[in-house]
Amino acid sequence: DTEVTQTPKHLVMGMTNKKSLKCEQHMGHRAMYWYKQKAKKPPELMFVYSYEKLSINESVPSRFSPECPNSSLLNLHLHALQPEDSALYLCASSQGWGKGGTEAFFGQGTRLTVV
Amino acid sequence: EDQVTQSPEALRLQEGESSSLNCSYTVSGLRGLFWYRQDPGKGPEFLFTLYSAGEEKEKERLKATLTKKESFLHITAPKPEDSATYLCASGGGADGLTFGKGTHLIIQP
Repeated sequence: DTEVTQTPKHLVMGMTNKKSLKCEQHMGHRAMYWYKQKAKKPPELMFVYSYEKLSINESVPSRFSPECPNSSLLNLHLHALQPEDSALYLCASSQGWGKGGTEAFFGQGTRLTVV
Repeated sequence: EDQVTQSPEALRLQEGESSSLNCSYTVSGLRGLFWYRQDPGKGPEFLFTLYSAGEEKEKERLKATLTKKESFLHITAPKPEDSATYLCASGGGADGLTFGKGTHLIIQP
């Protein structure tokens, strides 16, 4: 069983909707991540949140906005999405920071469909 | 920029037929080389971390090795339940992970 919990597991939303994805980790990790994975492609990094600092992949559009209420929770707010944003959204956490190479643990993902 | 290349893209084996998956990497400074297993529609499951050339890690039928330019995931006497996509990644920490495209492995009974 993963110790990174994502909700909901599935989400269907219209292009004018506002929704949020939620992620919680129970391992005391200090870094959390959002990845996007399209079918038959590897995960791509969207955001890194650690020690209250946010790092953004500059290719991620502003219709995605992360929020970190505390070190165990990470949300992803969605607004005015496009059908091409349909994908599996993965949350992960890791112990490391800086240039450390510690492993990341993933949740089971949220399958998002934009209609 | 880190680059990770996996081969083959797909591999079909008979149950019990051992083989190896390859991951070659080009990074400015290796901070970690990671192997994950991913089942359809699920999140990647962590398998191994390797840091130094010559390092080896084992888990059940899987063994991961690392050289200065590549990593191998050896699968010994695989079973149908080993069927999955195996992902290799480099990086970690503040930069997140850079993944290869994965090897889709099918083990036929």
